[in-house]
Amino acid sequence: AQSVTQPDIHITVSEGASLELRCNYSYGATPYLFWYVQSPGQGLQLLLKYFSGDTLVQGIKGFEAEFKRSQSSFNLRKPSVHWSDAAEYFCAVGASMNYGGSQGNLIFGKGTKLSVKP
Amino acid sequence: DSGVTQTPKHLITATGQRVTLRCSPRSGDLSVYWYQQSLDQGLQFLIQYYNGEERAKGNILERFSAQQFPDLHSELNLSSLELGDSALYFCASSVSQALYLETQYFGPGTRLLVL
Repeated sequence: AQSVTQPDIHITVSEGASLELRCNYSYGATPYLFWYVQSPGQGLQLLLKYFSGDTLVQGIKGFEAEFKRSQSSFNLRKPSVHWSDAAEYFCAVGASMNYGGSQGNLIFGKGTKLSVKP
Repeated sequence: DSGVTQTPKHLITATGQRVTLRCSPRSGDLSVYWYQQSLDQGLQFLIQYYNGEERAKGNILERFSAQQFPDLHSELNLSSLELGDSALYFCASSVSQALYLETQYFGPGTRLLVL
């Protein structure tokens, strides 16, 4: 079964410092991977996604993620964190269940809450 | 603003009751997805509709049902509510039924509290 693990429940970084949020997945085939961000009281917003090709993916708000098949990882990075980046971040993998000719849906990790110190 | 709207924003009800959550997808999107976010289970996919037909089903309880109407808005019906149903319910939409091949746009959610 597909699964996503985000090992860090809560991370605190100083503003201006670099950030790396970890994500490990379990999937039997080529994964489709996503990072979403959820600001307090808001819905989820897609930061970036990986389907194929270049393993380093650029997203919005200065985020990037690197797909490493050998490590089953898709870590999210940002070189310099801003106070407005404080939010909860979710890694997700596209599931492979089939139904009526289409395919399954997103499986999310438990999320990593990011706090930013001034 | 994702373009996906959900009503109501908050809902407080009692155990055993039935509620209906409503979602309007982005203009032009044919697929609607429902997710439940709770503290213990995290974010879980419930069900997907595409152009009025059910397309994929996840961890949706039998007490829950959904439908998508001809105007493409969707409703999630939760019945015989239990305390554990208290959660944030998200709706998302995408253009087609290709699911993770395209971006899902999430609404702001409906927070349900069952007392």
